[in-house]
Amino acid sequence: DIQMTQSPSSMSVSLGDTVTITCRASQDVGIYVNWFQQKPGKSPRRMIYRATNLADGVPSRFSGSRSGSDYSLTISSLESEDVADYHCLQYDEYRTFGGGTKLELK
Amino acid sequence: EVQLVESGGGLVQPGRSLKLSCAASGFTFSSFAMAWVRQAPKKGLEWVATITSGGSNTYYPDSVKGRFTISRDNAKSTLYLQMDSLRSEDTATYYCAKDHNNFDYWGQGVMVTVSS
Repeated sequence: DIQMTQSPSSMSVSLGDTVTITCRASQDVGIYVNWFQQKPGKSPRRMIYRATNLADGVPSRFSGSRSGSDYSLTISSLESEDVADYHCLQYDEYRTFGGGTKLELK
Repeated sequence: EVQLVESGGGLVQPGRSLKLSCAASGFTFSSFAMAWVRQAPKKGLEWVATITSGGSNTYYPDSVKGRFTISRDNAKSTLYLQMDSLRSEDTATYYCAKDHNNFDYWGQGVMVTVSS
């Protein structure tokens, strides 16, 4: 089974920060990684698909990248509305979510 | 507008069964694979099941294989999750999602609590 190791599990951030969250795949999953944002009591929202593509309506301060088996979500110039939980998902072989990252304001 | 509306959740005793439904609208339901994803309280997301567009193929992780069954009625644009032999660790919010290698749309979720 493919594992997605997500780090960090939580992060204290300040408005205006550049934030990077990473998922490491236990085996090759190609470009088949999505990133989701989830706010308390809400459903996940797709932010990035196929590792690097910005989903419709997502602000351009969000970006996705890949380096080998490491997949990253970067938020440039963090805004208050970006404080949320973030999850990665691989869908190359079955589906596996990462453990999630909770962003909290300092 | 795409809408996915789950129903059927509630409190159930360990070992009993429950069936969730997800009513879809706003897209051609029969053309897309669909999935169930769950989230235990204060935990991350866990994929539970996927079914292909025509319903002929289903996929599950080991944690629910043999206990949960995903199905669909394309004529009714409805997705189902039959959950048998429920355990306390199945307590979670269950989301249906438009899969098809996208997960671009999600329902609002339905809570399932397994407790005596």
